[in-house]
Amino acid sequence: QSALTQPASVSGSPGQSITISCTGTSSDVGSYNLVSWYQQHPGKAPKLMIYEVSKRPSGVFNRFSGSKSGNTASLTISGLQAEDEANYYCCSYAGSSTFVVFGGGTKLTVL
Amino acid sequence: EVQLVQSGAEVKKPGESLRISCKGSGYSFTSYWINWVRQMPGKGLEWMGRIDPSDTYTNYGPSFHGHVTISADKSISTAYLQWSSLKASDTAIYYCATQVPVVATNTFDNWGPGALVTVSS
Repeated sequence: QSALTQPASVSGSPGQSITISCTGTSSDVGSYNLVSWYQQHPGKAPKLMIYEVSKRPSGVFNRFSGSKSGNTASLTISGLQAEDEANYYCCSYAGSSTFVVFGGGTKLTVL
Repeated sequence: EVQLVQSGAEVKKPGESLRISCKGSGYSFTSYWINWVRQMPGKGLEWMGRIDPSDTYTNYGPSFHGHVTISADKSISTAYLQWSSLKASDTAIYYCATQVPVVATNTFDNWGPGALVTVSS
């Protein structure tokens, strides 16, 4: 069982918006503004999409945005495109003994 | 451009030892820490641990502490992940990834392509 809880799957049509939730605890998501999101296409390495809750690395489209409220973080993808179909993982810093925890991943299907 | 090149796929028997590698290029190897992340077949990502190549200071995830060893040789810009006695449950893809040299972070901005390790009798 993963430390952070994500829905197993979400879906949306091209052009629509979807949101993926990531629920942790007061020991990880709730305590630090250190939530990141990774996109992984089948057979490929993960790619950083969001870091420190809502920051985008250069080269990541502004269709991707992140937020956090309490123990739950969210990734929103607006204007869905076919190439957004992938698995998405949230990740949180969890203090100086556990350090880093991932969510179980969410499969995004673009209908 | 930061690049991480990982060693090739391995097929091992239970009980055997193994060391896989991750070679950094395009940057000063001691400027970023190296993390290792496991992905078991059809499963999600799991953080294993990390190393500061400048002084080989390491942190391990609770599930991996004592089961693997992370090391680095800055003279050849290479980090390693090592097992002394493999189990079938170690079958997975192992990724290395860089982070800035800060303890409190989970921003892994450059990833290697992954190395498949298969452990089977």
